[in-house]
Amino acid sequence: QVQLQESGPGLVQSSETLSLTCTVSGYSIASGYFWGWIRQPPGKGLEWIGSIFHSGTTYYNPSLKSRVTISADTSKNQFSLELSSVTAADTAVYYCARDVAEIALRWFDPWGQGTLVTVSS
Amino acid sequence: QLVLTQSPSASASLGASVKLTCTLSSGHSNYAIAWHQQQPEKGPRYLMKLNSDGSHSKGDGIPDRFSGSSSGTERFLTISSLQSEDEAEYYCQTWGTGMGVFGGGTKLTVL
Repeated sequence: QVQLQESGPGLVQSSETLSLTCTVSGYSIASGYFWGWIRQPPGKGLEWIGSIFHSGTTYYNPSLKSRVTISADTSKNQFSLELSSVTAADTAVYYCARDVAEIALRWFDPWGQGTLVTVSS
Repeated sequence: QLVLTQSPSASASLGASVKLTCTLSSGHSNYAIAWHQQQPEKGPRYLMKLNSDGSHSKGDGIPDRFSGSSSGTERFLTISSLQSEDEAEYYCQTWGTGMGVFGGGTKLTVL
């Protein structure tokens, strides 16, 4: 059973870099699949941030691309998110998820439980 | 531009059925989508993949009460025999040119 767990600081200062790690258990990320980050501002909907393939290929949301870096450490079975120059608008619950790809669609399954990151000024 | 549109809210009585709608933007009627459920204070859970022809495949452990169907640019999630734990936010999701896209979500209230 694949499980994902987000970790990282719950409070980040404005203009600094948000850093989160997702630890995967029950599956080796080096074996395949994409792995993604999605966020949800308080009281709002879901926004895809980006995904990484086990080989290192990345896809980013164009609206965030200039500030986002996603990387993977297969030796630790983890992948990470860095979001630079954060503002209050980046306050959200951040989820990691396995990004399952088929010919006609990619979807997220399973999801982590999420971690709230608050940007303070 | 690929956009998914959902009604903000829906309600139905305990034991009844409800049909939620996700509408793809014009020109995208052949797109498959996924449905996700987010119960209060929890992370989302994948429910199913739904193709344009109405065929669908559910995630592990998803009850038979959950089913999907399609018509043109509309994708439907039907929940029958509603239970209290079905009260949740439901999101549709698809994949555009190199990026993931979510609908705004429908908050389902079970009366």
